[in-house]
Amino acid sequence: SAVISQKPSRDICQRGTSLTIQCQVDSQVTMMFWYRQQPGQSLTLIATANQGSEATYESGFVIDKFPISRPNLTFSTLTVSNMSPEDSSIYLCSVDEGRGGTQYFGPGTRLLVL
Amino acid sequence: AQSVTQPDIHITVSEGASLELRCNYSYGATPYLFWYVQSPGQGLQLLLKYFSGDTLVQGIKGFEAEFKRSQSSFNLRKPSVHWSDAAEYFCAVGGQWTGTASKLTFGTGTRLQVTL
Repeated sequence: SAVISQKPSRDICQRGTSLTIQCQVDSQVTMMFWYRQQPGQSLTLIATANQGSEATYESGFVIDKFPISRPNLTFSTLTVSNMSPEDSSIYLCSVDEGRGGTQYFGPGTRLLVL
Repeated sequence: AQSVTQPDIHITVSEGASLELRCNYSYGATPYLFWYVQSPGQGLQLLLKYFSGDTLVQGIKGFEAEFKRSQSSFNLRKPSVHWSDAAEYFCAVGGQWTGTASKLTFGTGTRLQVTL
């Protein structure tokens, strides 16, 4: 399976600022996903990032708040904009290697907003 | 819409005892089903998956799961739990396709505590 890394692994940010999270994969993949895991909660899909096209956002998530880039087949970024304490979560990226729907996850970015 | 229910929020078992974590899904067609494990401070690791064929699937770390269509269930089992199995376990259902990938819907998770 693909090896996925995320940067930063954790961060503490002030409200009103923005943080960009990077997701790097060791192989080319078509589909990448970004999830949010709020404290003590399950995973919620933020958006699907397909290389060469605009990201597709799930209900409740908007591009102005969570802009996503997907410049090539091995890399994506998620920005959490104008942060508030409610944005404190773990943000995970995942990839689908094209083997029929299996997703593999990165280690996550733990964000605390003060 | 697809959905997943994990009825047990927290389970405690003794080391060496057997384990069964419950998962019920809702999906209109044949689902793709997954179990993931999340250890403290870690990302999600895939334990096993079911796409089709044999309804009893084997995974890593000695885990297995059985797909029962009549009960809309995909319960995870392990015959003998080790202390290192303490973690959060998530069941997920896929099958809602976007392009060439399947969107996953996760259950709320079951936290497993193992006593020595």
